[in-house]
Amino acid sequence: EAQVTQNPRYLITVTGKKLTVTCSQNMNHEYMSWYRQDPGLGLRQIYYSMNVEVTDKGDVPEGYKVSRKEKRNFPLILESPSPNQTSLYFCASSPMMNQPQHFGDGTRLSIL
Amino acid sequence: QKEVEQDPGPLSVPEGAIVSLNCTYSNSAFQYFMWYRQYSRKGPELLMYTYSSGNKEDGRFTAQVDKSSKYISLFIRDSQPSDSATYLCAPKTANDYKLSFGAGTTVTVRA
Repeated sequence: EAQVTQNPRYLITVTGKKLTVTCSQNMNHEYMSWYRQDPGLGLRQIYYSMNVEVTDKGDVPEGYKVSRKEKRNFPLILESPSPNQTSLYFCASSPMMNQPQHFGDGTRLSIL
Repeated sequence: QKEVEQDPGPLSVPEGAIVSLNCTYSNSAFQYFMWYRQYSRKGPELLMYTYSSGNKEDGRFTAQVDKSSKYISLFIRDSQPSDSATYLCAPKTANDYKLSFGAGTTVTVRA
């Protein structure tokens, strides 16, 4: 089954404790992206990657890092999480520029 | 001003009613227009995908784009309780992967 898989689905942690949210897609898609979803603000793009070793900032990149060492994986790293990064995070992928993006089921992060 | 404006609702309708959802946008370079549906605790899933102005119909769903007015609509006919979800409009330009999302409209269809 074609899918985008995120782990963990839920995480409660404390300020300053480094964490990584993994994202993996099995569709051989070139493009991958991370979004955060907050009430009233919709989905905002954090980082994106157009191919292996090619990443770039989205609209809200502060406090996040990403890497794209393999085509299928695109982890999101929070080196020193803060409470304002409490949010619902989605990973998405797309095969080509003008094809729709496929989303994972989300990771709910709570940072205390 | 946000690039894409969408009334967050919530919208509550009886089963069988027509649901009308809309977005306005400011970027005249948008060429592709998507509607995503998001159920609680799930990721957005693509519902409709249109290019440029015009109408597209898929079963009970109709998407309309009026580029001259920068106005996007989604209509759901004969609405069902299973249509209860948040609906997100997401336009994009032709030369960029980036989607610009509206805030989403939450719809409840009452049985």
